[in-house]
Amino acid sequence: EADIYQTPRYLVIGTGKKITLECSQTMGHDKMYWYQQDPGMELHLIHYSYGVNSTEKGDLSSESTVSRIRTEHFPLTLESARPSHTSQYLCATVPPRERGTDTQYFGPGTRLTVL
Amino acid sequence: KNQVEQSPQSLIILEGKNCTLQCNYTVSPFSNLRWYKQDTGRGPVSLTIMTFSENTKSNGRYTATLDADTKQSSLHITASQLSDSASYICVVSGSYYGQNFVFGPGTRLSVLP
Repeated sequence: EADIYQTPRYLVIGTGKKITLECSQTMGHDKMYWYQQDPGMELHLIHYSYGVNSTEKGDLSSESTVSRIRTEHFPLTLESARPSHTSQYLCATVPPRERGTDTQYFGPGTRLTVL
Repeated sequence: KNQVEQSPQSLIILEGKNCTLQCNYTVSPFSNLRWYKQDTGRGPVSLTIMTFSENTKSNGRYTATLDADTKQSSLHITASQLSDSASYICVVSGSYYGQNFVFGPGTRLSVLP
């Protein structure tokens, strides 16, 4: 089982603030993903990375950026938070192909509220 | 368009009863299909995975089926427990490893005592 950590778990901030959500993993998984999920709704892909220095935009990538300088870390940054960003943010990883199937392992999530 | 649909949207059953959740998909090409369980406020956890050649897979009280011809899958839960209350998400993967995950909207299951 993958060890995926997300911090903070809960965050309440004001409109216009710049925030960074952290995601880290200790399993050496090369593929990492960020999803946004509103309560009771489906997951939407924001960004993904297939390895160091590799980042791609998903369906909801606007207004946010990511970086992948190290395998272990995949931080998500909102340059200017808005109430529409209020949601749960989930980080996920997939192990390298040689280790098995492409099952996604999810972190516990960050619940963000923008006032 | 690649799409995954799930039914019902929500379901309420009594503890000890069985239930079946449905998943229809139009994802092509197809690699595999997974069912995830997501507890409220937590990340999803994988329950089962099935490839094109598999038509049934069990994990304890959870049994998933796959009909690749009709592009349908089901998740059957036997002797439900209160801890089964969660959202169950069907996810279909395309041909390329680690790419093209298409998520269904989930079925919200509530198990009552």
